[in-house]
Amino acid sequence: GQQVQQSPASLVLQEGENAELQCNFSSTATQLQWFYQSPGGSLVSLLSNPSGTKHTGRLTSTTVTKERRSSLHISSSQTTDSGTYLCAIDPTGGYKVVFGSGTRLLVSP
Amino acid sequence: GGIITQTPKFLIGQEGQKLTLKCQQNFNHDTMYWYRQDSGKGLRLIYYSITENDLQKGDLSEGYDASREKKSSFSLTVTSAQKNEMAVFLCASSPDRGYNNQAPLFGEGTRLSVL
Repeated sequence: GQQVQQSPASLVLQEGENAELQCNFSSTATQLQWFYQSPGGSLVSLLSNPSGTKHTGRLTSTTVTKERRSSLHISSSQTTDSGTYLCAIDPTGGYKVVFGSGTRLLVSP
Repeated sequence: GGIITQTPKFLIGQEGQKLTLKCQQNFNHDTMYWYRQDSGKGLRLIYYSITENDLQKGDLSEGYDASREKKSSFSLTVTSAQKNEMAVFLCASSPDRGYNNQAPLFGEGTRLSVL
């Protein structure tokens, strides 16, 4: 079945540094979402990017569909960015989305 | 504004016990989902429902039952809790199929511990 690998598993930064998170997937994806999960556990969608480059605020995602990879760049990280970032793939345009294990980000002041 | 409410927030059960988790949404969304998240891992789909009284199995449905008696509510039952089981169960809803037009919105989760 579809596999989603995220790297690094964890990342520690000083406030102001940039973060680069990677997501690799084993088969084509009709949809790709990046989610943020707070330390308390709630999950919110950050952006949808099945192909190309998208920006929102300090976030930039680049997905290269042929190479089955996506990245999430966080510029000028802040302590409030700490949490887990999850990549999710929808391989068929249906309901059975596959999630990666996430990257745990800790931004210290 | 809309909200997804999961109850209870914390659930402690005994081995072999049947446990029920509830989820309510007031977005009037058609599709609802139940996911399980184990520590340090991604979410795995247990059940989803595309409309009232519809149930569809996910990859992790073994050991679980679900019920969608109303459009606004979706419950999940752990049929026999496993000893030392610990996980977070997340409920989500979306207006239509999959993640195509809008990513699902998630509840705060129910944290399960089995003694």
